[in-house]
Amino acid sequence: GEDVEQSLFLSVREGDSSVINCTYTDSSSTYLYWYKQEPGAGLQLLTYIFSNMDMKQDQRLTVLLNKKDKHLSLRIADTQTGDSAIYFCAQGGTALIFGKGTTLSVSS
Amino acid sequence: NAGVTQTPKFQVLKTGQSMTLQCAQDMNHEYMSWYRQDPGMGLRLIHYSVGAGITDQGEVPNGYNVSRSTTEDFPLRLLSAAPSQTSVYFCASTAMTRGTEAFFGQGTRLTVV
Repeated sequence: GEDVEQSLFLSVREGDSSVINCTYTDSSSTYLYWYKQEPGAGLQLLTYIFSNMDMKQDQRLTVLLNKKDKHLSLRIADTQTGDSAIYFCAQGGTALIFGKGTTLSVSS
Repeated sequence: NAGVTQTPKFQVLKTGQSMTLQCAQDMNHEYMSWYRQDPGMGLRLIHYSVGAGITDQGEVPNGYNVSRSTTEDFPLRLLSAAPSQTSVYFCASTAMTRGTEAFFGQGTRLTVV
């Protein structure tokens, strides 16, 4: 079946850049997504990228898509302590397949 | 706009009990789905619906039933609760015409003892 893989943990210092990586299997996915989950909360859409794009930038967030390698990354510039959360990569259309999530820990 | 509303937020059940988790959305979205989130497992799709009267199974449907009698509501029923169903449950809705953002409820934390 379809699968999404991501590293489980990432630790950075405040002010550094964070890069969270993801690999996916479904080459037919129209969109690829990054969701953020803060403790005790639901999932919030951070950003998404259409499959015919290579890059999307939205303020501190940069998404890179390598369709050949089926690799997606999320870069957070100037990481802040408020960015500490679990980040999920997801593929699919209306039925989303999620990765297991990357826990980002930001130390001051 | 309330978005996606789930009730209850917390629930403790005894093994063998049944209950219904409620999910309602006020965005007129066609697509609704239920996920469960377990530590280290990400979110796994339980059931989904592409419109009123239409439901289908996801990755982990066993032990759960759903129905979609209206566009707004998509309840998830646990028929006979088991400890393996202890989890956090999320309901989501998406506008199929846009195929982009899935809006999630705040979750229901269920413990089966």
